[in-house]
Amino acid sequence: NAGVMQNPRHLVRRRGQEARLRCSPMKGHSHVYWYRQLPEEGLKFMVYLQKENIIDESGMPKERFSAEFPKEGPSILRIQQVVRGDSAAYFCASSPWRQGADQPQHFGDGTRLSIL
Amino acid sequence: DQQVKQNSPSLSVQEGRISILNCDYTNSMFDYFLWYKKYPAEGPTFLISISSIKDKNEDGRFTVFLNKSAKHLSLHIVPSQPGDSAVYFCAATRSGGGADGLTFGKGTHLIIQP
Repeated sequence: NAGVMQNPRHLVRRRGQEARLRCSPMKGHSHVYWYRQLPEEGLKFMVYLQKENIIDESGMPKERFSAEFPKEGPSILRIQQVVRGDSAAYFCASSPWRQGADQPQHFGDGTRLSIL
Repeated sequence: DQQVKQNSPSLSVQEGRISILNCDYTNSMFDYFLWYKKYPAEGPTFLISISSIKDKNEDGRFTVFLNKSAKHLSLHIVPSQPGDSAVYFCAATRSGGGADGLTFGKGTHLIIQP
């Protein structure tokens, strides 16, 4: 998984606090995807961003969740007023351009979010 | 409604033999399929992919077969090695546009026995 960097690796928050998860894509990649994995489940798509643009947020919960990918700096997934159900592993992936036959997404090692 | 299904939660195979992991999908709009391997506490690692214009793609010990009429794909690993023990995820997407996120199955835990 070299290249896609996520931090922190582990994040503990109390109910009602905010969680910020960061993702730096692989060098040369301008497209970022966020996924969430609950225990014993597969990864679920949340949002797809290009620099400064949200392309598809169909998998994002309507409230409390937001994502950005600014011109400079990493992509940020923000969860406001966290609840116990937000506890999960959050993975970021990147690709060099729009998903195509020869452009798989490459994943980071994830952030494990635990809500007390 | 699960659009990508991996019906075997786990699979045990002897070292040196062939491992066959199966995946079914329901969305006929999917045209690009991928297999990822995942170790605990790590992110998924891309293994191999196949476009719907093909029915087979091979890379070393890994071969993916696609049967579009049956909406079924499989990953063959031969010969299986101890380091292959991991969770394998099948994923699918529409490469031509629309939703760009990958749709994943729940995974199959492959255990290679010595």
